[in-house]
Amino acid sequence: AQTVTQSQPEMSVQEAETVTLSCTYDTSESDYYLFWYKQPPSRQMILVIRQEAYKQQNATENRFSVNFQKAAKSFSLKISDSQLGDAAMYFCAYRSSYNNNDMRFGAGTRLTVKP
Amino acid sequence: NAGVMQNPRHLVRRRGQEARLRCSPMKGHSHVYWYRQLPEEGLKFMVYLQKENIIDESGMPKERFSAEFPKEGPSILRIQQVVRGDSAAYFCASSRTEVNAEAFFGQGTRLTVV
Repeated sequence: AQTVTQSQPEMSVQEAETVTLSCTYDTSESDYYLFWYKQPPSRQMILVIRQEAYKQQNATENRFSVNFQKAAKSFSLKISDSQLGDAAMYFCAYRSSYNNNDMRFGAGTRLTVKP
Repeated sequence: NAGVMQNPRHLVRRRGQEARLRCSPMKGHSHVYWYRQLPEEGLKFMVYLQKENIIDESGMPKERFSAEFPKEGPSILRIQQVVRGDSAAYFCASSRTEVNAEAFFGQGTRLTVV
């Protein structure tokens, strides 16, 4: 079964600095999708970035980028120039290409941004 | 195009009562997923539905929990005879048919059982 592990329950970063959130996953599938979601105190789940496993190029979205290491099954999120509004819970998620319903989430990392 | 709408946002029930959580997917989305989030934990898959069909309910407890997605109207997650352990945030997500379609989440319903 696919599992997603986020080994950092909490992280903090100084405003304007860079922080990296870790995520590893376990799967026997070759094709899948990986996501990072942000959950602010409002509880809304907001998609930050997605990565298709068949693409070697790391996805980027403005200040957010990923380091996708398929062989190592690692999918870390880098936030550059951190802003106070980035403070939230961040969840890494895995979605199977074969089962549309099979989407697994990590336990989350709480990110604090210090002014 | 309104996002995924869940209501109510907050629901308080006494032990033994029934809880009904509603989810209206985004326009054009025919797939609905329900997740449960316990405090300080990630989301746990409960059930996946398409219109009038339950596709996968492997994450849903066999007792007291049921879900439906009728041809017309919202998807309903129903919890009968609630217990304190049912207190959690329940999230609904919807997507289009394509396998790689992004899932969009509602804001969740926080259920508190007193």
